[in-house]
Amino acid sequence: DAEITQSPRHKITETGRQVTLACHQTWNHNNMFWYRQDLGHGLRLIHYSYGVHDTNKGEVSDGYSVSRSNTEDLPLTLESAASSQTSVYFCASSYSTGELFFGEGSRLTVL
Amino acid sequence: GENVEQHPSTLSVQEGDSAVIKCTYSDSASNYFPWYKQELGKRPQLIIDIRSNVGEKKDQRIAVTLNKTAKHFSLHITETQPEDSAVYFCAATLNNNDMRFGAGTRLTVKP
Repeated sequence: DAEITQSPRHKITETGRQVTLACHQTWNHNNMFWYRQDLGHGLRLIHYSYGVHDTNKGEVSDGYSVSRSNTEDLPLTLESAASSQTSVYFCASSYSTGELFFGEGSRLTVL
Repeated sequence: GENVEQHPSTLSVQEGDSAVIKCTYSDSASNYFPWYKQELGKRPQLIIDIRSNVGEKKDQRIAVTLNKTAKHFSLHITETQPEDSAVYFCAATLNNNDMRFGAGTRLTVKP
């Protein structure tokens, strides 16, 4: 069955380290998104992509980057992790018609 | 970009009662309004959506209404059951681009 998977599911890192969260989908969706979820803020868009080599900044993109070298993957990189980036991160994908399919989430703790 | 506000942040109802969650959006060009349900520790999942060319949509016990003039839309759950307890998110977007979410409503249905 088609799916969207994230890894790692849990990660603890230290301030200043580089961290990459992986997202892989097998639906052949063109659109992929990264959100962070924090209590009281809901789901906030970090970066998104409409296809290979396309990337766009969302509402909370500072300190994050993404790259889209193929249809299936959109890795999210924190260049220098900060405590404010402790959060649960959700990757999602969609066709152009609307529904987002979310991954299971990655819980990141920055000490 | 789009700004979505959601109220209330928490809602507690007795089993069998109705629950209503309201959202407002800022961009009059938005044309797609989905609602997602997130159970504790799980990923968000689409439960119902509405496009700007209709005013109401129903699916069994859930319904969504849209008022384009006032730029607000609402989720209605009738005959609530304990399994309806979850966090509900509204969202708004233009053509599934750059989807923005409300901060969420934690619904508790008391047996």
